[in-house]
Amino acid sequence: GAGVSQSPSNKVTEKGKDVELRCDPISGHTALYWYRQSLGQGLEFLIYFQGNSAPDKSGLPSDRFSAERTGGSVSTLTIQRTQQEDSAVYLCASSPAGTAAYEQYFGPGTRLTVT
Amino acid sequence: AQSVTQLGSHVSVSEGALVLLRCNYSSSVPPYLFWYVQYPNQGLQLLLKYTSAATLVKGINGFEAEFKKSETSFHLTKPSAHMSDAAEYFCAVSEGIQGAQKLVFGQGTRLTINP
Repeated sequence: GAGVSQSPSNKVTEKGKDVELRCDPISGHTALYWYRQSLGQGLEFLIYFQGNSAPDKSGLPSDRFSAERTGGSVSTLTIQRTQQEDSAVYLCASSPAGTAAYEQYFGPGTRLTVT
Repeated sequence: AQSVTQLGSHVSVSEGALVLLRCNYSSSVPPYLFWYVQYPNQGLQLLLKYTSAATLVKGINGFEAEFKKSETSFHLTKPSAHMSDAAEYFCAVSEGIQGAQKLVFGQGTRLTINP
């Protein structure tokens, strides 16, 4: 079946611009996660959504970052007023409910470059 | 808070030789532990997982890992390296939040296979 998809695959933006990154999880998966992968910080958790519960935003690095998940499916990560330190690969993952909830399936990522 | 330490950012072995990638974790509760592999320009793929069942866990592509509570370790091994094993490997520990499983990753180990 289809895996997690992310778009765009690459995004180059100028410092100060806003960007939106999209994630389409595996159909039926109830949990959705965003991670960031950068040279200096490695893989960091950003935010997760679980069903209809309020999202856990504890990993967001600043208030310039926000995310939403519409209809329990597609998610958008928005970065406002981008800075050069935001350059990274943004990875989305989803997981099913039940006993396999710990198995996260990752998308290919969006490589963001802020110039 | 939970943490993961991967010993060795780069490991190089000859084709056919034993692969050993080291991972130590810190957790105040029984952890769930994972190894992920990342090929160039791709997302993360789950290799194997430990979820408090058998301490010796077998995964895909001939990899296995052993959970040793006394050593707080979860080292990844493969008896005979193949050229296709060249990739970056990440060890991760789950940090449960209200039933979801936020992952905390190590810094990664880049595995090179010499012909």
